Amino acid sequence: YDLTQPPSVSVSPGQAARITCSGDKLGKKFAWWYQQKPGQTPVLVVSLDDKRPSGIPERYSGSKSGDTATLTISGAQELDEADYYCQAWSGGSVIFGGGTKLTVL
Amino acid sequence: QMSLKESGPTVVKPTETLTLTCIFSGFSLSESEAGVGWIRQPPGKALEWLSLLFGSGDERYNPSLSNRLRITSDPSKNEVVLTMTNMDPVDTATYFCAHITGIDAFDFWGRGTLITVSS
Repeated sequence: YDLTQPPSVSVSPGQAARITCSGDKLGKKFAWWYQQKPGQTPVLVVSLDDKRPSGIPERYSGSKSGDTATLTISGAQELDEADYYCQAWSGGSVIFGGGTKLTVL
Repeated sequence: QMSLKESGPTVVKPTETLTLTCIFSGFSLSESEAGVGWIRQPPGKALEWLSLLFGSGDERYNPSLSNRLRITSDPSKNEVVLTMTNMDPVDTATYFCAHITGIDAFDFWGRGTLITVSS
C-alpha cells in the first residue's frame, strides 16, 4: 500500500500551502500528518484526518476528499518550512507517505 | 510526560544483527492499547515504519522486512528491543522509537540514533 505525496511545494509567505496525500481507499481510512524540521524528530500536526493536537497552531488544518487527504497551512510562515509526511494504516501496518518538502520564500 | 530514548551501536558490519533498545517512561505497556514502534529514516530520505508492539502482546511488522525483524519487551525495565538481522549498507539510517495508543499515530518520539552499516 502506498501513499503518494508531491516531493515539493513552494509558496510565498502569507499564502496558503496545500500538501496532498493520495492512496487507494484512503477515503475509508484515517490520515495523520507530521512535520519534521532538519535534524529534529517528527511532530504530529494533524490527527484523524482533521483534528489538531494540543499546541499546534490554528493555521494547520486537515481535510479529505475522496481518496486524497490534504494538509493546509493557512498564511504559511518561514518557520513552517519543513518536510511533511502523511501516515495511514493498511492491513494492520503503518504506512508513511514519501514526504513533501515545503519551501516558504 | 512521556519520554523515549534509543540506544544501540553506532556502527554494525554487513551481515551482522542489529539490536536496538528503547527505554521509555511516562507510560506502561501493561495497558493493552499502549504501544512502542520503531521507525527509521535513511539520510535525506523518508520515514519508514519497521515494527510495533502493543501492551496486549500484539506484534506488527513491516511486511517487506518482517523476515529480518523481531520486537520484544521487558515490562519490568520499561524497555522494547528491536533486532534486525543480516544488516546491509542500505540499512544505514536514523532509527527512532515512538509511543502509540491503539490504531493511531506516533505521538511521542525518541531523538533517534544513527546506525551506520559499514565494514
